[in-house]
Amino acid sequence: EVQLVESGGGLVQPGRSLRLSCAASGFKFEDYAMNWVRQGPGKGLEWVSSINWNSGNIVYADSVEGRFTISRDNAENSLYLQMNSLRAEDMALYYCVKGVGGEYYHGMDVWGQGTTVTVSS
Amino acid sequence: QAVLTQPASLSASPGASASLTCTLRRGINVGTYKIFWYQQKPGSPPQFLLRYKADSDKQLGSGVPSRFSGSKDASANAGILLISGLQSEDEADYYCMIWHSSAVVFGGGTKLTVL
Repeated sequence: EVQLVESGGGLVQPGRSLRLSCAASGFKFEDYAMNWVRQGPGKGLEWVSSINWNSGNIVYADSVEGRFTISRDNAENSLYLQMNSLRAEDMALYYCVKGVGGEYYHGMDVWGQGTTVTVSS
Repeated sequence: QAVLTQPASLSASPGASASLTCTLRRGINVGTYKIFWYQQKPGSPPQFLLRYKADSDKQLGSGVPSRFSGSKDASANAGILLISGLQSEDEADYYCMIWHSSAVVFGGGTKLTVL
């Protein structure tokens, strides 16, 4: 069974940093693209970033470009999101989402339960 | 204008069919895109329902009932999620998604009420 378990969320002050992690199991992690998608309180889904199977292709939403960095460790079956210069509008539930294939443009299918990021002074 | 537009809400009766639309912005041709559909129930993460580009290029998510299907309306430049034989458990938010210009775009979501 495919499982994605996010961690690292919490309360952080504006301007500070946070690093999210996603532990993957139940599939061959190194073969699949991975994604981060967030959902603000009572809001819809917002894509954050995607990384292909070998970290050779990475894309970001304009809203986080230059502040967030996605990365992966295929040996550890883990996905990460380094979030710097956090803003109030970054407050959301952050989901780790498995890609359908090795490249991110193949789409995404399995979602984790999410980890909550709260940005407040 | 948003890249993907979904009606905010839709109501339908149990046993009936519901057609949820995802309209692409003018200038973006629905025929060239794979459209992904996700279902989200309160307090739960989204679940992948299906992917549809054409009848020859489609995929139903694992464990998703065949009551869920995808199509396109080229004249409306829209993707469609059709749910037949509506059940109370189908009450949820539904999101469409495409890859456009090296970015993922989600529609704003449709809240489907089954009553």
